[in-house]
Amino acid sequence: AQSVTQLDSHVSVSEGTPVLLRCNYSSSYSPSLFWYVQHPNKGLQLLLKYTSAATLVKGINGFEAEFKKSETSFHLTKPSAHMSDAAEYFCVVSDGATNKLIFGTGTLLAVQP
Amino acid sequence: SQTIHQWPATLVQPVGSPLSLECTVEGTSNPNLYWYRQAAGRGLQLLFYSVGIGQISSEVPQNLSASRPQDRQFILSSKKLLLSDSGFYLCAWSGDSLLPADTQYFGPGTRLTVL
Repeated sequence: AQSVTQLDSHVSVSEGTPVLLRCNYSSSYSPSLFWYVQHPNKGLQLLLKYTSAATLVKGINGFEAEFKKSETSFHLTKPSAHMSDAAEYFCVVSDGATNKLIFGTGTLLAVQP
Repeated sequence: SQTIHQWPATLVQPVGSPLSLECTVEGTSNPNLYWYRQAAGRGLQLLFYSVGIGQISSEVPQNLSASRPQDRQFILSSKKLLLSDSGFYLCAWSGDSLLPADTQYFGPGTRLTVL
């Protein structure tokens, strides 16, 4: 069965410093992996998606994620945090048989001025 | 381009009252549609999904129901709300003819408070 584990429930960074949000996955086959962002009282916005075409995936707003099969990881990074990046981030894996999404528990990113 | 709408944006209802939340998708045809609930501190829970008109699959037993009367309309209902129904309800769609079925796009959500 597919699953994702987000290793940090809260991450705090200073504006202008790098962001690293960690996610490990478990899958019996090559998975489709996603990162979504949710600002307070808003819907989820797709940041990026991995589908085995390239291990380094570039998303919106300067975010990117690297798929590492040997480490079963799909960490989200951004070189320089902006105040508007403060939000909750979800790592998600798709169940290939049903296309249902399996969500991680989320990481709340705080950006300090 | 495709857009997804949900209304109302916020709702405060007394316990025991009925509920109807609506979700519509524009710019696509025959999408898969989903209802999720996000309760405080409990992550996202898939409630229902639909692959076509009149086809509803329920993920968890509860006092909620869903219907899909039209191709791009998905409705979440309850006859009698419980306190535990409070939460943030999200509708999502995936899988039209141009986009892969495993990528879901979410609506803006409805904040439901049951008092």
